[in-house]
Amino acid sequence: GNSVTQMEGPVTLSEEAFLTINCTYTATGYPSLFWYVQYPGEGLQLLLKATKADDKGSNKGFEATYRKETTSFHLEKGSVQVSDSAVYFCALLKGANNLFFGTGTRLTVIP
Amino acid sequence: KAGVTQTPRYLIKTRGQQVTLSCSPISGHRSVSWYQQTPGQGLQFLFEYFSETQRNKGNFPGRFSGRQFSNSRSEMNVSTLELGDSALYLCASSLDGIRGNKAEAFFGQGTRLTVV
Repeated sequence: GNSVTQMEGPVTLSEEAFLTINCTYTATGYPSLFWYVQYPGEGLQLLLKATKADDKGSNKGFEATYRKETTSFHLEKGSVQVSDSAVYFCALLKGANNLFFGTGTRLTVIP
Repeated sequence: KAGVTQTPRYLIKTRGQQVTLSCSPISGHRSVSWYQQTPGQGLQFLFEYFSETQRNKGNFPGRFSGRQFSNSRSEMNVSTLELGDSALYLCASSLDGIRGNKAEAFFGQGTRLTVV
């Protein structure tokens, strides 16, 4: 079946630290992969995506590379800011709008 | 342009009651999907509607149902509420699903349902 395994949180970092949130997936075929972010009291926002192997998605300093050989899509950012504090979800797409989400990783960035 | 609007934002219901949640997608979007978010199960797909037809369905009991109107607005209904139905219900709209490199789903802020 389809599933996403995401790094357990919470993660607490100091401002300007390097961020990695691990994500691996199980799926048939070649799914599209996504990272969504949820700020307090809000819905989900698409952060970045990759639709085929070796694609790199990037946005707002965040990057993730679709690695088919390791079935991974790890999220990275070189220098986090306090404003990056949120919950991050890795997801894969099955069907037109059927997203399978990981459990989410809460990131807190302290000044 | 206006984003995805979900109403109401908060709801408290009693066990055994039924509830209807509403989602107005972005103008021009024809696909609406619903997700349930709970601390224990995370985010789970409920169903997707496109052009008034259910196109995809997740693994939820028949107490959970939905529909979509000709203006693409969608409603979700839960009958015979149980305590475990307490959750944040999110809807997402897109032009025609999120296949393809340029497609994206936009999420609403959700309806927080509490069953007591």
